Amino acid sequence: DAKTTQPPSMDCAEGRAANLPCNHSTISGNEYVYWYRQIHSQGPQYIIHGLKNNETNEMASLIITEDRKSSTLILPHATLRDTAVYYCIVRPDNYGQNFVFGPGTRLSVLP
Amino acid sequence: KAGVTQTPRYLIKTRGQQVTLSCSPISGHRSVSWYQQTPGQGLQFLFEYFSETQRNKGNFPGRFSGRQFSNSRSEMNVSTLELGDSALYLCASSLYGGSPTEAFFGQGTRLTVV
Repeated sequence: DAKTTQPPSMDCAEGRAANLPCNHSTISGNEYVYWYRQIHSQGPQYIIHGLKNNETNEMASLIITEDRKSSTLILPHATLRDTAVYYCIVRPDNYGQNFVFGPGTRLSVLP
Repeated sequence: KAGVTQTPRYLIKTRGQQVTLSCSPISGHRSVSWYQQTPGQGLQFLFEYFSETQRNKGNFPGRFSGRQFSNSRSEMNVSTLELGDSALYLCASSLYGGSPTEAFFGQGTRLTVV
């Protein structure tokens, strides 16, 4: 699976958009980009995934660059409850749920 | 519908003992994966079961094993416990296990080995 690089930590003001970047320069054509988050001491929570088109759901938006070498997760109006570690994962389109989690980005939403 | 249920939530064991953890997936889900989370190593994949068969395995010693039952419930077993096995053990379930589908995680079992 392709390796991802994320900043170790970020701050965001409550009510503002949180933009979390992820670099995956070695991504191959059949690999999807997934985002999960983990709030302290809980199991990871699925946020969104995409292949090459931008995606949006009730939680967030995923913007993938045209060359697919990087992506950005956008939380449009961050709240204190969005404080968590955010993981960007790329994995191929094959069967199996063996996600490879990196260290992620610790997002702190500040009042 | 009910989420992924892991039991017990907390466990304390002594070095050398063995332990069995249980995971009940979301109803209808057939894939169950197990992960170990420690402060030093982060989240690491242990193994995945689909239709009672182990489909993927991570890089863990043979002391770590698992199984899945016909109702998709899964158990993992760790024998000859070591202090380094202290961790949060997480179970995730998904509908078929095929990409791209999301996995739903349980709250985990926190194992402490003393």
